[in-house]
Amino acid sequence: AQKITQTQPGMFVQEKEAVTLDCTYDTSDQSYGLFWYKQPSSGEMIFLIYQGSYDEQNATEGRYSLNFQKARKSANLVISASQLGDSAMYFCAMREGLGNYQLIWGAGTKLIIKP
Amino acid sequence: DTGVSQNPRHKITKRGQNVTFRCDPISEHNRLYWYRQTLGQGPEFLTYFQNEAQLEKSRLLSDRFSAERPKGSFSTLEIQRTEQGDSAMYLCASSLSGSVTDTQYFGPGTRLTVL
Repeated sequence: AQKITQTQPGMFVQEKEAVTLDCTYDTSDQSYGLFWYKQPSSGEMIFLIYQGSYDEQNATEGRYSLNFQKARKSANLVISASQLGDSAMYFCAMREGLGNYQLIWGAGTKLIIKP
Repeated sequence: DTGVSQNPRHKITKRGQNVTFRCDPISEHNRLYWYRQTLGQGPEFLTYFQNEAQLEKSRLLSDRFSAERPKGSFSTLEIQRTEQGDSAMYLCASSLSGSVTDTQYFGPGTRLTVL
């Protein structure tokens, strides 16, 4: 079974609109962390936002926010006021359990912002 | 504060040759990770170091792959007798143990093409 599922292979969004990228996860651990990264065509993986399993508030970082629904095991990334520079691949990743350090990744969503 | 650096950025080699990649982590980070990413996929974990100790290796890391971090600073990843299936982006990341999120920060990657 997939540990991280990103159901949207690609998305087109008009500039300045908000966009939600979906991520569902599967773990039996109580302690885990969820990450979102952006990968432009240049290839570098850029950290965007983190949500811990015990965090009661949804994480926010500038234009990025995370809609964390623990019971549904979803951690959707919301980008407000999208910009042309937001066009990239977006990956959801999970670090599960205590003492685990590797990240488990989804297949990614390709986001294209239209002018 | 310089980020993670990787060299070379691109490597083209013939099947059967050996290649070595270098990763320099963020200076105060004691954890270092290697991932492999093929086109259209999320990264796959290869190995992890804490200081100079290699603490975890994926079964993806066959006998032809070896990684070192001799002084707990930079790391090298060597692939012996390269095969066409080794063609991928090799990503290095680093993190600081004891930080709240232990977020992994990535370098620009080394793109390997095996002819």
